[in-house]
Amino acid sequence: GAVVSQHPSWVICKSGTSVKIECRSLDFQATTMFWYRQFPKQSLMLMATSNEGSKATYEQGVEKDKFLINHASLTLSTLTVTSAHPEDSSFYICSARQGAHEKLFFGSGTQLSVL
Amino acid sequence: QKEVEQNSGPLSVPEGAIASLNCTYSDRVSQSFFWYRQYSGKSPELIMSIYSNGDKEDGRFTAQLNKASQYVSLLIRDSQPSDSATYLCAVNAVYGQNFVFGPGTRLSVLP
Repeated sequence: GAVVSQHPSWVICKSGTSVKIECRSLDFQATTMFWYRQFPKQSLMLMATSNEGSKATYEQGVEKDKFLINHASLTLSTLTVTSAHPEDSSFYICSARQGAHEKLFFGSGTQLSVL
Repeated sequence: QKEVEQNSGPLSVPEGAIASLNCTYSDRVSQSFFWYRQYSGKSPELIMSIYSNGDKEDGRFTAQLNKASQYVSLLIRDSQPSDSATYLCAVNAVYGQNFVFGPGTRLSVLP
């Protein structure tokens, strides 16, 4: 299957700082990438849909000014958690769609811990 | 609202048995169906995709789709302890739209 690279794998930061997470499709071009958040023992929660060259579409309840998404190229999307707080601590996962059959491949995820 | 439902489990089966995971969806125009496996603390991994009614087999995995009943299932033959994970059902209705994921079924294969 296709490879989606996500880093960092984990990050610990102080409250009030900003954290950037990168998601790259390594062997295919991804016109659309998705960002999810997952709390322990809960299901995936879609945060936003990122389209190359345009503004991201955020799900209801997700603050676009807090979770900044940039999709500047067909292989790279970034999520920046601005002014992170302990309640933002979670597992963040990106995914990218490949091909006509719309298979979705996931990055390895980023565990964010805000102290 | 488009919904995908799964039994949250846990589903426990003995090693070597067949594990049967079920998923129903509400959007009749759904066209693409996927099963993902997620180990604890890891991201989901695609294991099966199915697009037309009937069965699709890949190794120990068989996906079954019945669009009339809006039902898709995953069978795992000769279950192994390493199959213990959460299995997510995902449905995609129309090209260009988002996947809808079910809540996942936690499978435990007992040695």
